Amino acid sequence: QKEVEQDPGPLSVPEGAIVSLNCTYSNSAFQYFMWYRQYSRKGPELLMYTYSSGNKEDGRFTAQVDKSSKYISLFIRDSQPSDSATYLCAMQVSSGYSTLTFGKGTMLLVSP
Amino acid sequence: NAGVMQNPRHLVRRRGQEARLRCSPMKGHSHVYWYRQLPEEGLKFMVYLQKENIIDESGMPKERFSAEFPKEGPSILRIQQVVRGDSAAYFCASSPVDRLGTEAFFGQGTRLTVV
Repeated sequence: QKEVEQDPGPLSVPEGAIVSLNCTYSNSAFQYFMWYRQYSRKGPELLMYTYSSGNKEDGRFTAQVDKSSKYISLFIRDSQPSDSATYLCAMQVSSGYSTLTFGKGTMLLVSP
Repeated sequence: NAGVMQNPRHLVRRRGQEARLRCSPMKGHSHVYWYRQLPEEGLKFMVYLQKENIIDESGMPKERFSAEFPKEGPSILRIQQVVRGDSAAYFCASSPVDRLGTEAFFGQGTRLTVV
């Protein structure tokens, strides 16, 4: 079993849709959970991170962590064509140095 | 303040040649991390360096790969005697403190193609 599982997609939605992206993980030691956006041929860009369980909202983006189920989600409201990218989840054991473990990424396509 | 600069952006090498990938961290950042992204795979950690020190190289292949971050100049990831399986995108990230996930910024990557 991989440490972090993420459906590679692609996930195709019309503009304005609510998008749900998800990851599951197996290592219960993970405490910090990140979502990155990666445009084609570019580097990953940190969107948001959460600590332990709970929700965090930033504009159109909401991150949710359910540690009991080892399941994290990123919701995008009112999706735009400019949101078309690959979304990577990543996890870390501590806030100090520890390696980031990434999912493979989900490709999102938002059509006008 | 320029972002993390990686060069070259694209590198083509024949099997058996050496590849040198450079990473200039953001100003004020003294922590550098290298990741590799193979086709259809997620980003995989390779090595974590601070100035003049390798802190964690647990993700580095034991042979042919080396990394350095000298007192002056960029961090270098060196791959000797490249093979087709080394073809990938190599990303570096830098941070001002040892907080990779929450404080680090990634560069645009170097895409290595071995022919």
